[in-house]
Amino acid sequence: EAQVTQNPRYLITVTGKKLTVTCSQNMNHEYMSWYRQDPGLGLRQIYYSMNVEVTDKGDVPEGYKVSRKEKRNFPLILESPSPNQTSLYFCASRARVGPGGELFFGEGSRLTVL
Amino acid sequence: ILNVEQSPQSLHVQEGDSTNFTCSFPSSNFYALHWYRWETAKSPEALFVMTLNGDEKKKGRISATLNTKEGYSYLYIKGSQPEDSATYLCAFYVSYNFNKFYFGSGTKLNVKP
Repeated sequence: EAQVTQNPRYLITVTGKKLTVTCSQNMNHEYMSWYRQDPGLGLRQIYYSMNVEVTDKGDVPEGYKVSRKEKRNFPLILESPSPNQTSLYFCASRARVGPGGELFFGEGSRLTVL
Repeated sequence: ILNVEQSPQSLHVQEGDSTNFTCSFPSSNFYALHWYRWETAKSPEALFVMTLNGDEKKKGRISATLNTKEGYSYLYIKGSQPEDSATYLCAFYVSYNFNKFYFGSGTKLNVKP
């Protein structure tokens, strides 16, 4: 089954404790990206990757890091989480760069930073 | 950051009603407009990807139109059913060195039986 898998789905952590949210897709997609969803706001792009070893900042990259060492994986790293990073996070992938082609989303990771 | 606006923010309709909502986006440098359906506790799923002015797409009782010159897209649901209850998101795609999607905040539809 074609899917995007995120882990963990739910996490409560404390300020400053490094964490990683993993994202894996089994569709051989080139493009992967991370979004955060906050109440009243649209999904905002954190980082995206057009292929292995190619990553770029989205609109809200501060406090986050990513890596793309393999095509299927695109982990999101919070080196020193802060309460303003409490949010619902989505990973998404699409087959290729360009206007056509839909995004396939993971089920979301709800993160709370105390 | 580009502005993508959706209206209304929320909508309550009775089963069987037809309804529509709007996505407004910048009319310059258009590449694509996506519609997604997001049910609570699930992943957003693609409904339509629209790339040409005048595009009309249909999937069952749901259809969408696109006007890139004036910067808007309409999503229509004919004969709403309770299972249509979800948040509907539109996303404006920006390419050429950006490859970003800008999402609206969504229209939350509640269909009462």
